Amino acid sequence: NAGVTQTPKFRVLKTGQSMTLLCAQDMNHEYMYWYRQDPGMGLRLIHYSVGEGTTAKGEVPDGYNVSRLKKQNFLLGLESAAPSQTSVYFCASSYDLSDSNQPQHFGDGTRLSIL
Amino acid sequence: EDQVTQSPEALRLQEGESSSLNCSYTVSGLRGLFWYRQDPGKGPEFLFTLYSAGEEKEKERLKATLTKKESFLHITAPKPEDSATYLCAVWGYSSASKIIFGSGTRLSIRP
Repeated sequence: NAGVTQTPKFRVLKTGQSMTLLCAQDMNHEYMYWYRQDPGMGLRLIHYSVGEGTTAKGEVPDGYNVSRLKKQNFLLGLESAAPSQTSVYFCASSYDLSDSNQPQHFGDGTRLSIL
Repeated sequence: EDQVTQSPEALRLQEGESSSLNCSYTVSGLRGLFWYRQDPGKGPEFLFTLYSAGEEKEKERLKATLTKKESFLHITAPKPEDSATYLCAVWGYSSASKIIFGSGTRLSIRP
C-alpha cells in the first residue's frame, strides 16, 4: 500500500520556467490537498479538491493551478516559476476529516528551488 | 478567520525531562483539533484528533488535552526518538473541507 506518492522529490527550476507536480493516492479518497511549507510558517493550503473534476482555492493560490481529472491524481502546476515559490510542497488526501483514525494522509514532499 | 498559534517555537529538553507544548486557537465553531508529528524530510504523521473541551488522548509518552481556547501536548519522560516538529491544526465549521495549521514546535531531546 503506497499511500500518497509525490513526484518528483526534488527539482530546480529557473525563473519563468513551468512545471507540474504530481500527487497520486491509492486509498480511493475523495479529498486531496496541496500545501506549501516554508520555514517558520507552517503548512499553508494552496488548492484543494473535494472530488474528481472539482478544485477550490486555499489560502495562497496565486501563481498556481491545479487539476483533478482522475480521482487518484491531483496535479499542481506552476505556469511561470518565481523565486518566491521556492518551498517544500506537500500533498495530502483524506476520506473524511472527521475520521478520528487518520484525518489526512501526507506524502513526503517535493523540494522545489527556483533560481 | 480561524487562527492557530503554537509555542514555544523550539524546545530543548534533557532525556527524561517532561514538558508541554501549547497550541492556542481561534475558530468559529470547532469541529476538530489535530496533532501531527513531522520528522526532517518527511510529511506530517497523524497523532491525535480532539473534538471537544475536556477530551484527552494518549499514545505512549504523549498526551493531548483540549480546552475551549487551547490544546496542550504533554510529553512525559521523553526519549531522543521523540525529537521532531509537532504541528497543531484546527478544523472549523466555517472552513468547509479545510484545516488551518500552526507553525509548529521543534522539539529536541538530548541523551
